[in-house]
Amino acid sequence: QSALTQPPSASGSPGQSVTISCTGTSSDVGGYNYVSWYQQHPGKAPKLMISEVSKRPSGVPDRFSGSKSGNTASLTVSGLQAEDEADYYCSSYAGSNIVVFGGGTKLTVL
Amino acid sequence: EVQLVESGGGLVKPGESLRLSCAASGFILNNAWMSWVRQAPGRGLEWVGRIKSKTDGGTPDYAAPVKGRFTISRDDSQNTLFLQMNSLKTEDTAVYYCTTYTSGYSRDWGQGTLVIVSS
Repeated sequence: QSALTQPPSASGSPGQSVTISCTGTSSDVGGYNYVSWYQQHPGKAPKLMISEVSKRPSGVPDRFSGSKSGNTASLTVSGLQAEDEADYYCSSYAGSNIVVFGGGTKLTVL
Repeated sequence: EVQLVESGGGLVKPGESLRLSCAASGFILNNAWMSWVRQAPGRGLEWVGRIKSKTDGGTPDYAAPVKGRFTISRDDSQNTLFLQMNSLKTEDTAVYYCTTYTSGYSRDWGQGTLVIVSS
């Protein structure tokens, strides 16, 4: 299974919105509504931010939202804050009991 | 509060074996599907595999790079998840995270344990 494709970097100023894309195939992102997103700060464990394309776990700010169109999923961070600066990873169920991750996107708050 | 604490990491030589443990608390491990995810130094996340709850069959599944070398098992009576790693390669060097697993995603994560494979 190939990794999902994410842009290596993204950036925005405080208060702005940023969208990170995650491109897969019809065998993973496009085939299932099981896309998730994780935030990882340096030296820390990842944290679930979005599950099942657009569901936000309790405690995750509503500034974070997820969506999907065809084989591409997206994570949008609205009203950027300094603490949003982190690495973000997407993940998708890929059939045959396998999960694949994206390569990660480093989000910089300017 | 869910807590996952990994242990067992360390430095091993290529070809050797290592067993990681993950102590779970704050929830009923019996009912939980669990997974392992790894992260090589300076690299992205990589799914290693997952195991179903015993009530759902208890069967594991693995990513292609580790299939046939790694084995995920569980001891629900001890609230512990295991990852047996055999025939280790240098490319297995990573921080290994234990996670709860539901519908293709990992909700709760441990702090990770570092495995270094080097001669």
